[in-house]
Amino acid sequence: ELKVEQNPLFLSMQEGKNYTIYCNYSTTSDRLYWYRQDPGKSLESLFVLLSNGAVKQEGRLMASLDTKARLSTLHITAAVHDLSATYFCAVGRAGNMLTFGGGTRLMVKP
Amino acid sequence: DSGVTQTPKHLITATGQRVTLRCSPRSGDLSVYWYQQSLDQGLQFLIQYYNGEERAKGNILERFSAQQFPDLHSELNLSSLELGDSALYFCASSFLDTLGTEAFFGQGTRLTVV
Repeated sequence: ELKVEQNPLFLSMQEGKNYTIYCNYSTTSDRLYWYRQDPGKSLESLFVLLSNGAVKQEGRLMASLDTKARLSTLHITAAVHDLSATYFCAVGRAGNMLTFGGGTRLMVKP
Repeated sequence: DSGVTQTPKHLITATGQRVTLRCSPRSGDLSVYWYQQSLDQGLQFLIQYYNGEERAKGNILERFSAQQFPDLHSELNLSSLELGDSALYFCASSFLDTLGTEAFFGQGTRLTVV
């Protein structure tokens, strides 16, 4: 059974600081997705990583994928309050179904 | 706005009842996925349809069923509802069901069973 684990589950950080969210998964896959969810809202697609070594950046967020280590990271640079949300990673399976991690709740304090 | 429309946004119903959740995918998207988000189970894949045909099932209970119509909208039917079925139900769509195709989520339907 595919398992996807994120850590930390909760992250409180100061504005301007850097931090990394980790996503480990238990089976071979080279399709990894990152989503953002604001409280009570939908999931917003952030990144789709399609191969080993893939790196994508958008604003203060950068995602990478290491399929050999079965690890993806979401790096936050110089955090701002607007980044406060819950971030999910998900592993793609055949048919493009997604198995989600438990989520990382990020709170950025002024 | 992702372009995926779900109705209703909120639904409150009693145990034992049956409800239908509706999803209109983004224009042109052929694949529809249903997910359930609850506090104890997290985000779980329920079922997938592609161009009208069921493609895959996840952790979907036998009391739940779904279908995709010729116009590609989809409905998720939940019957004999229990308190534990209370959750946020999301529909997502993608153009294809090829692994790696970006999937877009609707706003969700929050179901409360009382």
